[in-house]
Amino acid sequence: EAEVAQSPRYKITEKSQAVAFWCDPISGHATLYWYRQILGQGPELLVQFQDESVVDDSQLPKDRFSAERLKGVDSTLKIQPAELGDSAMYLCASSSVEASDLGNEQFFGPGTRLTVL
Amino acid sequence: KNQVEQSPQSLIILEGKNCTLQCNYTVSPFSNLRWYKQDTGRGPVSLTIMTFSENTKSNGRYTATLDADTKQSSLHITASQLSDSASYICVVSAGAAGNKLTFGGGTRVLVKP
Repeated sequence: EAEVAQSPRYKITEKSQAVAFWCDPISGHATLYWYRQILGQGPELLVQFQDESVVDDSQLPKDRFSAERLKGVDSTLKIQPAELGDSAMYLCASSSVEASDLGNEQFFGPGTRLTVL
Repeated sequence: KNQVEQSPQSLIILEGKNCTLQCNYTVSPFSNLRWYKQDTGRGPVSLTIMTFSENTKSNGRYTATLDADTKQSSLHITASQLSDSASYICVVSAGAAGNKLTFGGGTRVLVKP
């Protein structure tokens, strides 16, 4: 069964360091999402891609976060420099339906658990 | 502002018992509502999806209800099993395209033997 792949699964870093997360969506899925989930809370959207274009990055802290999906397939989320408050689970999701259709289900990857010391 | 509120925040039930989780939303325009199950350290997995015209949907021992008038949904777990221990997240889609998601904070369920 096709799945969204993420790596690494766990990352421990010191504050002020740079970190990067990678996501490979389900093959053929045009839409890719990055979420941040703080322990005990629901996911919050950071950035949404349609193919290689950013559709929504209104909640992305652009002073330290960046995301790219250069070839419209896999994606990288980077944090530089990392802060203590960035400790969270970073989830990637993908969907196959065009943005104009109804009921597009998002399939989530296993996430990357980031701990900033 | 679109919001999804879930209750309770957490609950503990004995194996074999039933439980019901609640979701209230203020999302407009409403497109659909999903319940996700999220095991610890894993990504959420969709359990059910309901559109405006549907008021109940089942997936095995999970049954979701939707009252679009009162903007409430519930997820009922029947004959709970240890593997039901997880967080359950209510997610409401908004907009004509249904691609703007608002997530609830989740309910953490612990099933004890």
